[in-house]
Amino acid sequence: LAKTTQPISMDSYEGQEVNITCSHNNIATNDYITWYQQFPSQGPRFIIQGYKTKVTNEVASLFIPADRKSSTLSLPRVSLSDTAVYYCLVGDEAAGNKLTFGGGTRVLVKP
Amino acid sequence: DVKVTQSSRYLVKRTGEKVFLECVQDMDHENMFWYRQDPGLGLRLIYFSYDVKMKEKGDIPEGYSVSREKKERFSLILESASTNQTSMYLCATYRESNQPQHFGDGTRLSIL
Repeated sequence: LAKTTQPISMDSYEGQEVNITCSHNNIATNDYITWYQQFPSQGPRFIIQGYKTKVTNEVASLFIPADRKSSTLSLPRVSLSDTAVYYCLVGDEAAGNKLTFGGGTRVLVKP
Repeated sequence: DVKVTQSSRYLVKRTGEKVFLECVQDMDHENMFWYRQDPGLGLRLIYFSYDVKMKEKGDIPEGYSVSREKKERFSLILESASTNQTSMYLCATYRESNQPQHFGDGTRLSIL
């Protein structure tokens, strides 16, 4: 069973910033935090990955506090095409570092 | 780019049949995974493999088995399909720990 927690859904409007927080209390010391995006009828696609502090790429930023027990994916200025389900993936220390997906957050971007 | 190919996008089988789902990757990755995805439950890990002929159970292995005879191919087997195995099945691969996983586009399996 997943040991991460994300909001089930979020609504936003075009041009706004969307922030999705994932809780992962049992993250393993050496594990990274990875976020994926999934559109209907497709497999998940890698967005961003980080270990601590802040990571930024061309599509998103990832904020990780010092205790690493949560992370926040930030999508700047979303468009309609960002409507998707977003998953956070971390190692699960309680399960022997087995990779575990969160339940996913369904983001709906409205015009 | 890593390519992960699942043999079928859609599959319909009958209860009690033996079902094979095939996954092939072209990047020589050691690690391969099978997930199922159901509404409201996200992705759940069925089995994974870190090397040829090696397999480990994930969170929900009951009713499934796997085969990894060659590095590039990882097969998921439903020994006797049941209706509660109707789902989307996703295969993934990655090179080493803490590298992103690469997913196929999934097989939507219906058991009647």
